[in-house]
Amino acid sequence: DADVTQTPRNRITKTGKRIMLECSQTKGHDRMYWYRQDPGLGLRLIYYSFDVKDINKGEISDGYSVSRQAQAKFSLSLESAIPNQTALYFCATLEDRARSGSNNEQFFGPGTRLTVL
Amino acid sequence: GENVEQHPSTLSVQEGDSAVIKCTYSDSASNYFPWYKQELGKRPQLIIDIRSNVGEKKDQRIAVTLNKTAKHFSLHITETQPEDSAVYFCAPSRGGFQKLVFGTGTRLLVSP
Repeated sequence: DADVTQTPRNRITKTGKRIMLECSQTKGHDRMYWYRQDPGLGLRLIYYSFDVKDINKGEISDGYSVSRQAQAKFSLSLESAIPNQTALYFCATLEDRARSGSNNEQFFGPGTRLTVL
Repeated sequence: GENVEQHPSTLSVQEGDSAVIKCTYSDSASNYFPWYKQELGKRPQLIIDIRSNVGEKKDQRIAVTLNKTAKHFSLHITETQPEDSAVYFCAPSRGGFQKLVFGTGTRLLVSP
């Protein structure tokens, strides 16, 4: 789905480095999410944002921070990367269909594979 | 918070067989029940979903059934094909809250 893009797609870094992962969307959705995926653990929510003034912690926010620069952009930062943050990171958006009675589908970006050495 | 379990964690079937994956959740207020498919190296994509006022929904070879009393819902795939091979995730939630909690996934392998 080219409407949700992530940069970079792959990144190798060293312990202690600051890393920023970026997400952009052209879907016009207000709600954006950052997940991390580890083998056998599914997708775990790091942070989510319902609009540019609303940022919320997910279940595993420690060691991460986010910035919602605009409706279309949501960045994830690792202030001081550590090896156990090696994972696949997904950004996602969600359209609020509650008012229309339809269901809430999340649209995922292609993912960023991060390796921390 | 919501506790979500999927069973089985892996499932191997022969092409043409049926596959069933079960998702158990803990939050009785959950009212939205989607299933996502993630092919190898790809992003998760919604394949079917259901709301709590409906017991079953079908879309060609896939269906979702819901048992709200027992707090579980299942994904059914009939006449499986090799392209059904993927990891499947359930993600029950309160629709208004719009924060999905994903299960740990079920790896389905369909052998020709």
